[in-house]
Amino acid sequence: SQQGEEDPQALSIQEGENATMNCSYKTSINNLQWYRQNSGRGLVHLILIRSNEREKHSGRLRVTLDTSKKSSSLLITASRAADTASYFCATAPYMRFGAGTRLTVKP
Amino acid sequence: ETGVTQSPTHLIKTRGQQVTLRCSSQSGHNTVSWYQQALGQGPQFIFQYYREEENGRGNFPPRFSGLQFPNYSSELNVNALELDDSALYLCASSYFPLAGGVSTDTQYFGPGTRLTVL
Repeated sequence: SQQGEEDPQALSIQEGENATMNCSYKTSINNLQWYRQNSGRGLVHLILIRSNEREKHSGRLRVTLDTSKKSSSLLITASRAADTASYFCATAPYMRFGAGTRLTVKP
Repeated sequence: ETGVTQSPTHLIKTRGQQVTLRCSSQSGHNTVSWYQQALGQGPQFIFQYYREEENGRGNFPPRFSGLQFPNYSSELNVNALELDDSALYLCASSYFPLAGGVSTDTQYFGPGTRLTVL
């Protein structure tokens, strides 16, 4: 069964804008990870945040984790057309993925 | 350092048949996980293998089975195929330093095998 639930299901923005995606989960976690998937191919790991961390940065990515609300957010700043993809959160253990957010960045 | 590879890329089978999908892990990784991803959905965890033994399983029936070999390549076998088994099958490798439990660290995914069951 799925654990993470991403919100929104789809997001369309202009190049240069920021994109924010949210993830909610139900049970205790060791860590939460965000992945990107292009055109139904393999997933690419973006960032991992551990349960004792609240915020993490990697390049244009910023992830927050609120374990009291069982939620996380992924912020992509200054988006590019190449960021167009589906984004998934996954909770560990057992790597349960949500249904994903489909991000479209228009040039 | 080579990445995770999967074969074949695409496969078409008929209902009731059996299928074997193959995965070659990233160099240095000792853990492999398999996922099923239906169209428009997120990946669903099937099982994970660590040092050639299954050490975690999702909500999949026994007709889904696997093997991990000493060189850390692995197979996913599905018997008695059903129409709902049509999906993208992904394998992912990782390094897990401790015995027991399920690897919870970063997983490196292969490109997937698209299985169609007619």
